[in-house]
Amino acid sequence: DAGITQSPRYKITETGRQVTLMCHQTWSHSYMFWYRQDLGHGLRLIYYSAAADITDKGEVPDGYVVSRSKTENFPLTLESATRSQTSVYFCASSEGSRGYTFGSGTRLTVV
Amino acid sequence: GEDVEQSLFLSVREGDSSVINCTYTDSSSTYLYWYKQEPGAGLQLLTYIFSNMDMKQDQRLTVLLNKKDKHLSLRIADTQTGDSAIYFCAERPREYGNKLVFGAGTILRVKS
Repeated sequence: DAGITQSPRYKITETGRQVTLMCHQTWSHSYMFWYRQDLGHGLRLIYYSAAADITDKGEVPDGYVVSRSKTENFPLTLESATRSQTSVYFCASSEGSRGYTFGSGTRLTVV
Repeated sequence: GEDVEQSLFLSVREGDSSVINCTYTDSSSTYLYWYKQEPGAGLQLLTYIFSNMDMKQDQRLTVLLNKKDKHLSLRIADTQTGDSAIYFCAERPREYGNKLVFGAGTILRVKS
């Protein structure tokens, strides 16, 4: 299916575990983004990527790692999950001026 | 830094018009966007306006841009219960390249 796909849709993990959230887009958009959405904070940018092998920090990068070996994939890894990382995570892609296309989100709970 | 402000909540009756307001800070912003988020879903692009335009209409949606006051509004005509959602305004400052700055969102509740 064409579009941007996030997996898993829901994830529960324990404090201290490593967890990876996947994001895949089928358009070959150059830009990809990871946001977290929390009540009272709106959307906060974690990391973004302008192209394969080019990534940069956003507003709240601590505790997260990204990679982009292929244009279509942009996984986000929580190296050692903490309760403060409980959130809804959105991946987005973009090309040109048309704004972002968002995935459906991953709801992550750290217990 | 950049900041986009929106009112938190708006409640309207079905059939009325809704107007959601937004103020942004960067006069260099080339594009401004409106996104809609329904419960449990991602953000969906509703419409966008180029900074050299004052108004854009798309079916029930009208976007007004006042560059002097850095004010953007989204008017939804004949609001329906299916319009209940969170609406996000976003700006694209020139120096940010392809990054957008989002507001915190306005919750629109439509009463039948």
